[in-house]
Amino acid sequence: NAGVTQTPKFRILKIGQSMTLQCAQDMNHNYMYWYRQDPGMGLKLIYYSVGAGITDKGEVPNGYNVSRSTTEDFPLRLELAAPSQTSVYFCASSYSTALEGGYTFGSGTRLTVV
Amino acid sequence: AQSVTQLGSHVSVSEGALVLLRCNYSSSVPPYLFWYVQYPNQGLQLLLKYTSAATLVKGINGFEAEFKKSETSFHLTKPSAHMSDAAEYFCALGITGGGNKLTFGTGTQLKVEL
Repeated sequence: NAGVTQTPKFRILKIGQSMTLQCAQDMNHNYMYWYRQDPGMGLKLIYYSVGAGITDKGEVPNGYNVSRSTTEDFPLRLELAAPSQTSVYFCASSYSTALEGGYTFGSGTRLTVV
Repeated sequence: AQSVTQLGSHVSVSEGALVLLRCNYSSSVPPYLFWYVQYPNQGLQLLLKYTSAATLVKGINGFEAEFKKSETSFHLTKPSAHMSDAAEYFCALGITGGGNKLTFGTGTQLKVEL
């Protein structure tokens, strides 16, 4: 049981480049989330999805886009990378009717924009 | 709006000493509360959770937390620290509905010294 898988683990981007961070889960969770983690700031929600075809903005969505074509996958797209997007990105998933279970997190993608 | 405050971004204890990490919350409705642990270069792992059942919650690795509504607190404790407890700890608050989003505190880095 793989849980939540994120790829790549590390990436360096130049300003203005674009990339997609991949996230896949094999637990049949309906809800999926993208967070960014910055030192001393905790985790901030970027986007979330409550099911295939449904996405919504979180606290810090600017500069990012998401799609959810299947239950398993929830990719995060950066269109024009900026230094402010240097961060560690975590994908997470949960059952829709059971917040009691909390989230299952991936191991993260460390992104540096130079 | 919900919020979580973790007092002390860095806590240092001696091996064998009591661990106390503080978390206060603000919520207009009964919350779900969580503690997550993050080891270096890893994702977040669920330590324990409060889901409106028992107010004293026991988690993994000997940690426990007590929900105190009157003090809006959910502090994390462990009677005797071990070197392997050195990590960053995050308190999180969740409200059911609207995507079951979690709001995270800014984290507390725990250092355990010999």
